[in-house]
Amino acid sequence: DAKTTQPTSMDCAEGRAANLPCNHSTISGNEYVYWYRQIHSQGPQYIIHGLKNNETNEMASLIITEDRKSSTLILPHATLRDTAVYYCIVRALTSYNTDKLIFGTGTRLQVFP
Amino acid sequence: SQTIHQWPATLVQPVGSPLSLECTVEGTSNPNLYWYRQAAGRGLQLLFYSVGIGQISSEVPQNLSASRPQDRQFILSSKKLLLSDSGFYLCAWSRGTGGEDEKLFFGSGTQLSVL
Repeated sequence: DAKTTQPTSMDCAEGRAANLPCNHSTISGNEYVYWYRQIHSQGPQYIIHGLKNNETNEMASLIITEDRKSSTLILPHATLRDTAVYYCIVRALTSYNTDKLIFGTGTRLQVFP
Repeated sequence: SQTIHQWPATLVQPVGSPLSLECTVEGTSNPNLYWYRQAAGRGLQLLFYSVGIGQISSEVPQNLSASRPQDRQFILSSKKLLLSDSGFYLCAWSRGTGGEDEKLFFGSGTQLSVL
């Protein structure tokens, strides 16, 4: 079962910031938060990940609360091409070479003109 | 650079027919390989993963099987398709380091319709 809770859908105006929340209240100390997105009829694409510090890359910013029970993915200037399903996933580092990411149903972000 | 190939892109099969979906990865060695399925309007469900040739782990009991005959080849099969096997099938790979920067890289998917 997915360990995260996300809103089913959100809307955002083009050019505005899209803030996608994720609740992971049962996250463990060794679990990272990862975000992927899936554009319609394509495979998911990695966006960003973090442990406890805020992170930023060319695609997005990730804000993790101090208690790590929730996080927010920020797309600073949403475009129509950002319309997709966004998945928030928690994952623990392992000493084994397996990596079973559990995807929930995600948030469907619709960016409108 | 690494690339992942998955085919066919779409497939329509009658109930009871066999299935074979193929996935290959280029530009890396000894990757972890995964098969996911996405039913219409649902999230991604992990079906199988493999950490090496001939090593297959099944996550969900079902009508499907997977094989890894070569290091960078992953095959999803069924002897007799069911209506419930319809969905969007995605192959993915990861480096298998288990570290923080471990990421999944997905193929473009196969839309399977069983009629």
